[in-house]
Amino acid sequence: GAVVSQHPSWVICKSGTSVKIECRSLDFQATTMFWYRQFPKQSLMLMATSNEGSKATYEQGVEKDKFLINHASLTLSTLTVTSAHPEDSSFYICSARGAGKAYEQYFGPGTRLTVT
Amino acid sequence: GESVGLHLPTLSVQEGDNSIINCAYSNSASDYFIWYKQESGKGPQFIIDIRSNMDKRQGQRVTVLLNKTVKHLSLQIAATQPGDSAVYFCAETTPGTASKLTFGTGTRLQVTL
Repeated sequence: GAVVSQHPSWVICKSGTSVKIECRSLDFQATTMFWYRQFPKQSLMLMATSNEGSKATYEQGVEKDKFLINHASLTLSTLTVTSAHPEDSSFYICSARGAGKAYEQYFGPGTRLTVT
Repeated sequence: GESVGLHLPTLSVQEGDNSIINCAYSNSASDYFIWYKQESGKGPQFIIDIRSNMDKRQGQRVTVLLNKTVKHLSLQIAATQPGDSAVYFCAETTPGTASKLTFGTGTRLQVTL
């Protein structure tokens, strides 16, 4: 149980274009989803927290207009990187937390984004 | 700001030996700690967790120790196997932060044959 998937697993896009990454909870309802970014050989940095049906809460320094997050259902959250630039190339990881689960987060497999 | 950090970036251990991975945290208000294993190109995988009202918790081949006095967390892996090779992260969460996780810098565990 508690499986989280991400799609795509990797994507290459050209500078200036937008790319959407999906995060799905497959066997539970995720009231909260988290989006992280991880640069090579570095730790995970939280970008934003999204609750189903409400606006995402972004961490300090994360541009909300650049990283659009939508959590329209209890099983799906999307992260759209708008006007991507090479410095946005990173490993994007989502996690999901179910209702009533204060601490348990289940992580997706990550999406490797490369902007050329 | 406050952060969770690790003492060693890389740990090399011989197969069959025990591994100890350390983590120092600075937020004394943190009440829940988790160890994750991350293999190359994959998302973090939960290993074991511990709440602040405990000082030790055991799982299968793994033990987490929490020393709140010196704000130190460790992960012990018994009889380390080649499949244990990965990067290990500690993470903490603090009350009032909507259970957001703050990750440490990570330690790469290399298991040699």
